[in-house]
Amino acid sequence: AQTVTQSQPEMSVQEAETVTLSCTYDTSENNYYLFWYKQPPSRQMILVIRQEAYKQQNATENRFSVNFQKAAKSFSLKISDSQLGDTAMYFCAFTAGGGADGLTFGKGTHLIIQP
Amino acid sequence: DSGVTQTPKHLITATGQRVTLRCSPRSGDLSVYWYQQSLDQGLQFLIQYYNGEERAKGNILERFSAQQFPDLHSELNLSSLELGDSALYFCASSPDPGLAGGPGNEQFFGPGTRLTVL
Repeated sequence: AQTVTQSQPEMSVQEAETVTLSCTYDTSENNYYLFWYKQPPSRQMILVIRQEAYKQQNATENRFSVNFQKAAKSFSLKISDSQLGDTAMYFCAFTAGGGADGLTFGKGTHLIIQP
Repeated sequence: DSGVTQTPKHLITATGQRVTLRCSPRSGDLSVYWYQQSLDQGLQFLIQYYNGEERAKGNILERFSAQQFPDLHSELNLSSLELGDSALYFCASSPDPGLAGGPGNEQFFGPGTRLTVL
């Protein structure tokens, strides 16, 4: 069974700063996918970024990028030029490849962007 | 808007009762997943259906069951409800991961159904 650990329950930064959210995972799978989901106060789950384990290049989506260290089983999310709308819970998630598995989530990090 | 719809948005019921939550996946998505989000358990995967067949099971209680219909919508049935079943229940859908060039296991979440058991 796989596990996902987010060690930062809450983080707070000033607007326009850069912030990094940590995530580690444990699995014996070789083919898998990693995701960061954002859950704002509306409770909607929004996909922020995804990473395929077989790709060495780190994924980026505008202000969001990841640092994927496969050997260390680490998958951190960097948010650049943070905005007030980035305030939300952020969940790291894992799923094995093949499409026959649900997502395993970490407990989440509550990110607060201060004006 | 993810394209996944869930009804109802809110549901309030009593212990011992049975409820049904409904989910319509994005157009073309064959897989439907159900998740439970509660304060003490966090986000937990319950069950996955693919094109009408059960494909993967997570931490789903025996009192809970699900099915996916020929039009690909899915229902999650919760029976003999307990106070601890109060939670936000999400449905998610994904396209066939075997599609060439597909997004590969990316799941799109509905807005959730808030269940309160009194």
